[in-house]
Amino acid sequence: AQSVAQPEDQVNVAEGNPLTVKCTYSVSGNPYLFWYVQYPNRGLQFLLKYITGDNLVKGSYGFEAEFNKSQTSFHLKKPSALVSDSALYFCAVRDQTGANNLFFGTGTRLTVIP
Amino acid sequence: SAVISQKPSRDICQRGTSLTIQCQVDSQVTMMFWYRQQPGQSLTLIATANQGSEATYESGFVIDKFPISRPNLTFSTLTVSNMSPEDSSIYLCSVGKGGSTEAFFGQGTRLTVV
Repeated sequence: AQSVAQPEDQVNVAEGNPLTVKCTYSVSGNPYLFWYVQYPNRGLQFLLKYITGDNLVKGSYGFEAEFNKSQTSFHLKKPSALVSDSALYFCAVRDQTGANNLFFGTGTRLTVIP
Repeated sequence: SAVISQKPSRDICQRGTSLTIQCQVDSQVTMMFWYRQQPGQSLTLIATANQGSEATYESGFVIDKFPISRPNLTFSTLTVSNMSPEDSSIYLCSVGKGGSTEAFFGQGTRLTVV
């Protein structure tokens, strides 16, 4: 069975500093991994994904994530945080069996302090 | 990508009544899903909406409570029946397109049951 853990409910970072939002996963076989962002009163927006290939994937708004198979992690990163990055971030996983449904982590609220 | 429109965006309903949420996609999609996001929590898959056949429900969700229709490849509805305050959540429609590994989400329907 698939599962995702986001160990931090809340992450605070000063504007201009690098940010990391952590995610670990459990899945049978090779995973498809995703990050989504949710702004207030909005749906989920896709940020980036890892399917195969280079462990470092780049996505929207300057975000990137690093897939680490040995640590079963897929942490989201950004070199320099913006106040507008403040939102709720979800990590998600699905296996490669063909079903498109995703299993989500509990979410991490990122607050970027001016 | 896909443009997904959900209606209504929000509603306040009396307990014991039912609400039908509509999900319209701008292109034909193979997979459509309905998720629930309870206050302060992550997303939980309710069911997969299958075109031309009965929806596939996840554990803990039943057709009598959450009947789903999918008459074609661009449209689905989710009904929340006999509502109670515990049904107060955000309900999100999600789609998966053939050839695309990520899922796309509507803006959600914020339901409050009083």
